[in-house]
Amino acid sequence: SAVISQKPSRDICQRGTSLTIQCQVDSQVTMMFWYRQQPGQSLTLIATANQGSEATYESGFVIDKFPISRPNLTFSTLTVSNMSPEDSSIYLCSVENRVEETQYFGPGTRLLVL
Amino acid sequence: AQSVAQPEDQVNVAEGNPLTVKCTYSVSGNPYLFWYVQYPNRGLQFLLKYITGDNLVKGSYGFEAEFNKSQTSFHLKKPSALVSDSALYFCAVRVDSNYQLIWGAGTKLIIKP
Repeated sequence: SAVISQKPSRDICQRGTSLTIQCQVDSQVTMMFWYRQQPGQSLTLIATANQGSEATYESGFVIDKFPISRPNLTFSTLTVSNMSPEDSSIYLCSVENRVEETQYFGPGTRLLVL
Repeated sequence: AQSVAQPEDQVNVAEGNPLTVKCTYSVSGNPYLFWYVQYPNRGLQFLLKYITGDNLVKGSYGFEAEFNKSQTSFHLKKPSALVSDSALYFCAVRVDSNYQLIWGAGTKLIIKP
């Protein structure tokens, strides 16, 4: 498995501002993923972030709105830019353990935009 | 299109009774099947998976699931439910070496004392 931490765990932000979410893993991983989840609902993949390459964004998500950094094999950040109330959600990072062929998730960041 | 269905939004079970949370899938290729659990205000926790081998897989907290290829199902089961099993359960599938997961809508499991 993997131990994954996210910062902040929650935040309340004003519209028009930006928030950067950090994801730290206790081991080196090639593949990291960023998801969005409305409370009680399913997960929506925002992007796949592999170290050494540009993030790959899913339909409906763009780099200008959700820039991602992946500077090394244990860390990634997701920025939610120019926030609006519609961005209020839970943001989750996950990592792929290639040996176990399993994704493991961080605890999530709960974002409320006013 | 590839998809995962969890036909029940909510499942109610009395404590001590067996529980089943249903999952069916539609993919082209060999499925890798997963169950995750999400407790209130928590991230997702991996429960169990099927990739190959024995169709009955056992996971954390006494849960098990059976892969049924002909019915394209991967139902989650537990012989005796606990109140602490109350949570949101997600089924997910991916195909072969494609690492992206396709997610079900989730099933809220409520165990009543």
